[in-house]
Amino acid sequence: QQPVQSPQAVILREGEDAVINCSSSKALYSVHWYRQKHGEAPIFLMILLKGGEQKGHDKISASFNEKKQQSSLYLTASQLSYSGTYFCGTERADSWGKLQFGAGTQVVVTP
Amino acid sequence: KAGVTQTPRYLIKTRGQQVTLSCSPISGHRSVSWYQQTPGQGLQFLFEYFSETQRNKGNFPGRFSGRQFSNSRSEMNVSTLELGDSALYLCASSISASGNTEAFFGQGTRLTVV
Repeated sequence: QQPVQSPQAVILREGEDAVINCSSSKALYSVHWYRQKHGEAPIFLMILLKGGEQKGHDKISASFNEKKQQSSLYLTASQLSYSGTYFCGTERADSWGKLQFGAGTQVVVTP
Repeated sequence: KAGVTQTPRYLIKTRGQQVTLSCSPISGHRSVSWYQQTPGQGLQFLFEYFSETQRNKGNFPGRFSGRQFSNSRSEMNVSTLELGDSALYLCASSISASGNTEAFFGQGTRLTVV
């Protein structure tokens, strides 16, 4: 079952912040975040395992709320290079290796 | 090190034909997953192979099949192509059997069915 991402799209000015949410109706083992630029392959940002830890990658960080089965990606002080489509991928403990992605959130950062 | 290599990069096929796509994972990676990407649908999981065994499968019809060889290279086959099969097909490889490692994606094969 695919996770649900929100919002579908967001437009930011450089320096602004944004939050992308990813939720699942099933218990999760891990949440992965990827970014894909137009015409390119998705690239890995970070993995969060159950346990509620928060991770960071430059000024992009994420959290995982195990009770709510929800992960949030935080884009802080956004840069032009943050533009792209962000996908969350979720994996359940009873199906290792099956990484299912949400529909994606398109992020556009303008000068 | 070399990344994930997918061949061919582009394909044009006619309805009813079949097609085989190839994916060479990063050396040492034993898990290979396949995804179908279409506008608005995101990445749809097709199947995942680990050590030559199909470990997970998505909700695609039986026309979609795959296999993995002893060197971890993987192929995906689509028979009796339909117009709706037009998409970017991505494969991703990872080193581990579990989900705590990143997946590396190839550039994809863009399939157009006419």
